[in-house]
Amino acid sequence: KNEVEQSPQNLTAQEGEFITINCSYSVGISALHWLQQHPGGGIVSLFMLSSGKKKHGRLIATINIQEKHSSLHITASHPRDSAVYICARNYGGSQGNLIFGKGTKLSVKP
Amino acid sequence: NAGVMQNPRHLVRRRGQEARLRCSPMKGHSHVYWYRQLPEEGLKFMVYLQKENIIDESGMPKERFSAEFPKEGPSILRIQQVVRGDSAAYFCASSGREDTEAFFGQGTRLTVV
Repeated sequence: KNEVEQSPQNLTAQEGEFITINCSYSVGISALHWLQQHPGGGIVSLFMLSSGKKKHGRLIATINIQEKHSSLHITASHPRDSAVYICARNYGGSQGNLIFGKGTKLSVKP
Repeated sequence: NAGVMQNPRHLVRRRGQEARLRCSPMKGHSHVYWYRQLPEEGLKFMVYLQKENIIDESGMPKERFSAEFPKEGPSILRIQQVVRGDSAAYFCASSGREDTEAFFGQGTRLTVV
């Protein structure tokens, strides 16, 4: 069983829709990461958060430490948001030692 | 300030050959991490290095794989006697401190034929 579970695995949305991707993990952490990967492309770090909520443009990430759950929201989705979104938790003291979820493949249709 | 640079972007090796993957961290970063992404699978941590030291290699296969991060120059992930199962995307990331966010490179796609 993967220690980081994401849902849904695949998500198709119409342009402009509000999107939510969920992530749950099984042990206490110091930080939770959200990453974006375009097909054949590199990986971009979107957020690192340990409590509350962070916002960057149309992206919002929230975390509930007690419930071991995080969500990534995309407002006013656009076809260029189509990508795989990955959540990951750290282990040990390092923020690069990561256990990754399997990713959510998002497709936004025009 | 250039980001994390990985080269080559694509590498083709025949079975039994050696593969050398390079990662130049962001300027001022001394912590480097390597990850592997097998086809249709998720990312897996391989190794964490700080200049001249391996800090955590718990994700490295026990044989044929090695990593270094010398005092000068890029970090190198070396795979000896490659097999088809080594075909994957290999990513590295770097950070300025252990407890800060790591930034990823574009990855090296290794194909073993």
